[in-house]
Amino acid sequence: GAGVSQSPSNKVTEKGKDVELRCDPISGHTALYWYRQSLGQGLEFLIYFQGNSAPDKSGLPSDRFSAERTGGSVSTLTIQRTQQEDSAVYLCASSLGGPSNQPQHFGDGTRLSIL
Amino acid sequence: AQTVTQSQPEMSVQEAETVTLSCTYDTSESNYYLFWYKQPPSRQMILVIRQEAYKQQNATENRFSVNFQKAAKSFSLKISDSQLGDTAMYFCAFNGNQFYFGTGTSLTVIP
Repeated sequence: GAGVSQSPSNKVTEKGKDVELRCDPISGHTALYWYRQSLGQGLEFLIYFQGNSAPDKSGLPSDRFSAERTGGSVSTLTIQRTQQEDSAVYLCASSLGGPSNQPQHFGDGTRLSIL
Repeated sequence: AQTVTQSQPEMSVQEAETVTLSCTYDTSESNYYLFWYKQPPSRQMILVIRQEAYKQQNATENRFSVNFQKAAKSFSLKISDSQLGDTAMYFCAFNGNQFYFGTGTSLTVIP
């Protein structure tokens, strides 16, 4: 597809389970971002990948959160031992370059609900 | 700390009228970029307009324009001739060494 693709679109799981969220960026985009959007809140930056450089993990809220980007393309965000406060929409975005005037192109997000 | 503040959680405007959404930010960086994004009820975030901090001229995209005051660290969005399709959440965003979004302004265009 032409846009950023995220899967699943919705995920419901029990507290304590691990979840994996997937992001397929726009082809050719070297930068990839993960954000968390809680109800009525803005976007909270989680992690940023740029090419083959070490990712900027400064936004990850705890060591239960991790992300990988394989081959400079698809990325997975993993949340271990999920808690109820992890419930949110997780948005992925990609752009042609890093911090620049290049806009971020967003996916539709994954709505995560922890029971 | 760098932050982006949108002080108007909700706004409404009559169709065809003009509305201005405010955004202020705090940064010690000199080179950065500012964006306004729109998030309709369908959820996907899309770019509305962008501004390079080194440019004094305010960006304009059709009915959308910004008032960028670098010294005041202000970046407001003006929507002219508002249309029903403009109803959405609007987020101000800062791109520098890190990335920050405001908490958003929910805009409703009233027919």
